[in-house]
Amino acid sequence: NAGVTQTPKFRVLKTGQSMTLLCAQDMNHEYMYWYRQDPGMGLRLIHYSVGEGTTAKGEVPDGYNVSRLKKQNFLLGLESAAPSQTSVYFCASSTGRSTEAFFGQGTRLTVV
Amino acid sequence: AQTVTQSQPEMSVQEAETVTLSCTYDTSENNYYLFWYKQPPSRQMILVIRQEAYKQQNATENRFSVNFQKAAKSFSLKISDSQLGDTAMYFCAFMNGFGNEKLTFGTGTRLTIIP
Repeated sequence: NAGVTQTPKFRVLKTGQSMTLLCAQDMNHEYMYWYRQDPGMGLRLIHYSVGEGTTAKGEVPDGYNVSRLKKQNFLLGLESAAPSQTSVYFCASSTGRSTEAFFGQGTRLTVV
Repeated sequence: AQTVTQSQPEMSVQEAETVTLSCTYDTSENNYYLFWYKQPPSRQMILVIRQEAYKQQNATENRFSVNFQKAAKSFSLKISDSQLGDTAMYFCAFMNGFGNEKLTFGTGTRLTIIP
């Protein structure tokens, strides 16, 4: 049972390039989340999804897009990468309510 | 919008001592859930303890317990008999109830256990 898997684990982008981060979960969870983690700022919610085909904005959605075409996958896209998007990105999934959210191992993204 | 505030960026205690991490939150909802997550240097996020807002009894998990004060919107974590393996970042988190389970985190407290 893989849980939550993020691809890739590391990436370096040049300013203006685009990329997609993939999050896959095999637990049949309805809820999926994308966060970024920066020193001193905790985990900030970028976008989230409450089910297949749905997405919603979190605290810091600008510069990112997401899609949830399949229940098990949640994609995070950077349309035109900026140095301010250098961060560690975490994906998580859960069944909602009081249940535990399971996290991926994180993706370290550097934009130069 | 819900907000979660952790006012202690860093804390350190001697091994075997008790430490309390603070968390406050702001919401207009009555039904919600609260969590403490631990992030060791491995970067993996680990659930420590959870609390349902409708339950008055404070949650406990072995050496970890919470002091949930709903009226004050406070949710502190107490770690008893602290161990070296407790060294980590600790995040308080809030989840809406019923149909829009957005999960919001605080800024974290870096806890160091001193041998």
